[in-house]
Amino acid sequence: SQTIHQWPATLVQPVGSPLSLECTVEGTSNPNLYWYRQAAGRGLQLLFYSVGIGQISSEVPQNLSASRPQDRQFILSSKKLLLSDSGFYLCAWSPDSGIKETQYFGPGTRLLVL
Amino acid sequence: QKEVEQDPGPLSVPEGAIVSLNCTYSNSAFQYFMWYRQYSRKGPELLMYTYSSGNKEDGRFTAQVDKSSKYISLFIRDSQPSDSATYLCAHSVINDYKLSFGAGTTVTVRA
Repeated sequence: SQTIHQWPATLVQPVGSPLSLECTVEGTSNPNLYWYRQAAGRGLQLLFYSVGIGQISSEVPQNLSASRPQDRQFILSSKKLLLSDSGFYLCAWSPDSGIKETQYFGPGTRLLVL
Repeated sequence: QKEVEQDPGPLSVPEGAIVSLNCTYSNSAFQYFMWYRQYSRKGPELLMYTYSSGNKEDGRFTAQVDKSSKYISLFIRDSQPSDSATYLCAHSVINDYKLSFGAGTTVTVRA
């Protein structure tokens, strides 16, 4: 079966500090990968998605970036965090075959920027 | 206009009641329709997905799609306190991996 991991679970960072959140998927090959942000009481905002190694599409212009150095690894980064970057960050994967639209989410990382 | 509008709630129902959750959408190209359940401080969990108009059942859960009126619903029968969560509807567009999500409806089932 497939498993998706995210770490850290919780992070408190000062404004202007860098950020690196990691997501890995087990039990599948060539998944489509996604980064979302969920603000308190609000819906899911798609930040980035990737259909393969090194292929990143950005949905929202911001000071965040994403990378996919390996098939099942997806990293969200920032060089300098802003207060507005606080939120709940979710990684998701969907299969490359079958019903590609079904996305499965990780446990999330709660980020607080102070 | 948002692509997906979801009844905002919150909903509070007694244990054993039927929970009815609703979303409307504007893009006729929407293909798959999903319902996710999200417990507090957890990632969303895929509950059900469906493609065609009509009903799809899975245990106590029924997903209903009406493509003619662009309306989707989720019904939870015999609701339990463990059903207390935020429910998100989502839709995909043909030949596009991305999903459009509703803002979510928070449900509380009172014991």
